[in-house]
Amino acid sequence: DAGVTQSPTHLIKTRGQQVTLRCSPKSGHDTVSWYQQALGQGPQFIFQYYEEEERQRGNFPDRFSGHQFPNYSSELNVNALLLGDSALYLCASSYVRDRFNQPQHFGDGTRLSIL
Amino acid sequence: RKEVEQDPGPFNVPEGATVAFNCTYSNSASQSFFWYRQDCRKEPKLLMSVYSSGNEDGRFTAQLNRASQYISLLIRDSKLSDSATYLCVVIASGGYQKVTFGIGTKLQVIP
Repeated sequence: DAGVTQSPTHLIKTRGQQVTLRCSPKSGHDTVSWYQQALGQGPQFIFQYYEEEERQRGNFPDRFSGHQFPNYSSELNVNALLLGDSALYLCASSYVRDRFNQPQHFGDGTRLSIL
Repeated sequence: RKEVEQDPGPFNVPEGATVAFNCTYSNSASQSFFWYRQDCRKEPKLLMSVYSSGNEDGRFTAQLNRASQYISLLIRDSKLSDSATYLCVVIASGGYQKVTFGIGTKLQVIP
């Protein structure tokens, strides 16, 4: 039973570039959430996708966008990269059951460095 | 005020000690609560859910106090392998999860 998988594991970009990160949820999960974790901080919620739509969004600018595909996998896109975007990007999956919140399971993350 | 607050520590405790962490939350509509463990440069891993009646899993006990809006994690008989950062997670009510993490409390168990 595969857990949450993310790709790539590491990425180096320069300011102004664009990046796409990918996530496949755990088998049986239908909801994907993305987080940004800077060094020494807790994960910060970016947004959550369910049924191919953005359902919740944290306090992140429009440069951060996403997509969910019919197979529940998801992408996170960041445009016009800034030095401050350097962080570990975590994907978490869960499933909506009876409209109650289920715990999320995390992937290993993508470490993004902006030069 | 932050939505979820934790003391970042570090908490340095000797092996065998009992240690407790608290986490306070500000949103009274919060519905679900979890503790996650995160090792250095790794992803968070679910440690345990927190139920209203309190729950125990081996050496770990979690409790929820809705009136005072805090959750706690107690670790008994600390092991060296318990050294990690413990993240408090609060989820607001609703079918779609508004998830908020605390900053995490760093625990270092010393031989």
